[in-house]
Amino acid sequence: AQSVTQPDIHITVSEGASLELRCNYSYGATPYLFWYVQSPGQGLQLLLKYFSGDTLVQGIKGFEAEFKRSQSSFNLRKPSVHWSDAAEYFCAVGAVDKVIFGPGTSLSVIP
Amino acid sequence: DVKVTQSSRYLVKRTGEKVFLECVQDMDHENMFWYRQDPGLGLRLIYFSYDVKMKEKGDIPEGYSVSREKKERFSLILESASTNQTSMYLCASSLRFSGNTIYFGEGSWLTVV
Repeated sequence: AQSVTQPDIHITVSEGASLELRCNYSYGATPYLFWYVQSPGQGLQLLLKYFSGDTLVQGIKGFEAEFKRSQSSFNLRKPSVHWSDAAEYFCAVGAVDKVIFGPGTSLSVIP
Repeated sequence: DVKVTQSSRYLVKRTGEKVFLECVQDMDHENMFWYRQDPGLGLRLIYFSYDVKMKEKGDIPEGYSVSREKKERFSLILESASTNQTSMYLCASSLRFSGNTIYFGEGSWLTVV
């Protein structure tokens, strides 16, 4: 069965520090992979997505993610975090007829 | 920009009431979804629809029903609200292909007392 795990429930980083959010998936075929961000009290917004080709994907707000088939991972990274990046981050995989979301990672940023 | 509009941001309803949550999208998307979001549980799919008058059960359909009479509108119905349905409800839409971006509304906070 398809599934998405995000091992870190909550992460705290200092402003200006680098960030990596982990995502692992289980899916039988080549997946479509997504990262969404949810600011407090808001809906979700797409950060980036991977379909095929280059395994390093660039997104909005300076985020990037790398697809590693051998590790079934799609980790999200940002070289320098801003206070406005504090939010909930969801990894997702596109299955045959629906998208499956991970449980989310909450990011706090210390000024 | 795609816009998904949920009619109510905050609702307080009594146990046993019938509750309607309305959602409208303006991009002619085939797919529409209702999710429920609870702390620690992430997003759970309640129902989705891939066409007018079509609906499919998601992961947690019990206690809910949906209606899609027009392509742009997807309603979630709680026939008899219960306190365990207190939650954030998110409506979303996308083009049919599962690799397409899903666009979300801002959410409806429902409290059942």
